[in-house]
Amino acid sequence: GQNIDQPTEMTATEGAIVQINCTYQTSGFNGLFWYQQHAGEAPTFLSYNVLDGLEEKGRFSSFLSRSKGYSYLLLKELQMKDSASYLCAVKDSNYQLIWGAGTKLIIKP
Amino acid sequence: ETGVTQTPRHLVMGMTNKKSLKCEQHLGHNAMYWYKQSAKKPLELMFVYSLEERVENNSVPSRFSPECPNSSHLFLHLHTLQPEDSALYLCASSQDIGAEVGEQFFGPGTRLTVL
Repeated sequence: GQNIDQPTEMTATEGAIVQINCTYQTSGFNGLFWYQQHAGEAPTFLSYNVLDGLEEKGRFSSFLSRSKGYSYLLLKELQMKDSASYLCAVKDSNYQLIWGAGTKLIIKP
Repeated sequence: ETGVTQTPRHLVMGMTNKKSLKCEQHLGHNAMYWYKQSAKKPLELMFVYSLEERVENNSVPSRFSPECPNSSHLFLHLHTLQPEDSALYLCASSQDIGAEVGEQFFGPGTRLTVL
C-alpha cells in the first residue's frame, strides 16, 4: 500500500527553527509537495521537490532524498502566523497526490 | 473572483436531503478535483476531472455524484448521506494532471454536517 508518515503535532518557539519530517512509500514518484493549512482555511502550496537536494524559498526550505523516501520542511525565524498544519503529499505513478495526515505546528511566544 | 471558489461554505443536512456543492475555478485550468478532509486524517481524493472527463473515481459511494459541465465548474451532488460523511469537502484545480504539472490550487471548502 501507499503511505505517507509525518508527526501529528510539534511545538516550537517564536524566532526559532523547526524541521518537519515526512517519509513515504508510494507506487512511483513524480514529485513531493508541501502545503500549509491554517485552521478553517484551504491548503496553500509551499514547495515542490522532484530531484534530491534542498530547495530554499525565503524562510522556508524543503529537502528531498528519493533513495531514502524522505523529505523535510525547515522553517526558520518562526512567527506566530506560522502556526498551522503542514501537509506532505507525493505524486505517484498515476499522477495522483497521496497525502499525509498533516503536522500541526504550534508556535509559542 | 479569483482562484478557486466554493459554495456554500457551510451546509447542514438531514440524511434524506438532496443538496449540491459548487466549485468554480478562475485560473484557466484543465483539471479539477474533489477531496474529503476528516479530522486528523489524510486528504482523500474522491474524483478527478480532466477537460470535463472523469478520469478517476476512488471507490466513492454512489450517494456522492460529481458533475463537470465545463472546465471551470465542478459540482458534487449529495443524496441520502450518512453522519460519517460529515467532513470538509475541498475542491482543487491544476493546469493538467501530468507529471510536469505543478501544484494544485484549493478552494476554501464546504464544511458539511449530516444529522
